[in-house]
Amino acid sequence: DSGVTQTPKHLITATGQRVTLRCSPRSGDLSVYWYQQSLDQGLQFLIQYYNGEERAKGNILERFSAQQFPDLHSELNLSSLELGDSALYFCASSDGLAGGLQETQYFGPGTRLLVL
Amino acid sequence: AQSVTQLDSQVPVFEEAPVELRCNYSSSVSVYLFWYVQYPNQGLQLLLKYLSGSTLVKGINGFEAEFNKSQTSFHLRKPSVHISDTAEYFCAVSEYSGYSTLTFGKGTMLLVSP
Repeated sequence: DSGVTQTPKHLITATGQRVTLRCSPRSGDLSVYWYQQSLDQGLQFLIQYYNGEERAKGNILERFSAQQFPDLHSELNLSSLELGDSALYFCASSDGLAGGLQETQYFGPGTRLLVL
Repeated sequence: AQSVTQLDSQVPVFEEAPVELRCNYSSSVSVYLFWYVQYPNQGLQLLLKYLSGSTLVKGINGFEAEFNKSQTSFHLRKPSVHISDTAEYFCAVSEYSGYSTLTFGKGTMLLVSP
């Protein structure tokens, strides 16, 4: 158990819909990262937040957005869903104290999204 | 931009045999290197990481990896595998500059049979 929790575990929805995925980082961790894992694209970094502020952006679509709240939990919002958005979405956290360069990221169990 | 190539998508091996999972990276700057393991229906877990210093890195569960700068490789090895090592293994790289965003390889499925 990494200490990172993600809800829900599974999500089934229809094309065009909007969903919100939630992540609670390990106690004390200030950085949160979101990743998408799909069969064709592999594991891709989406976005990182540090203490409420966006720090780095990867291959995140404009239809997707995220935020980190004062209690440090984070939400990933996916809108206008398409079939190709079906994937496993991981959240990871790190303590953020080393400036990012040497930190170990601890991964949650993921949310499996199926868009029908 | 950094990239990671895992040369084998699947590696079948018998229990108690040695195994090597290959990883090559590409980057224009110095990097940090990581190996993560993903057991079925679970998230990723860090096996080991190379930040600096000794090029031979020891990790959990008896795994080790060697950083070879000239060959831009970071191969993962275990001298004797167990059935419980069956999992997907991901090599990842993070550049020195900027923040620690990880770029992952496509993964290698290690299949250990009796």
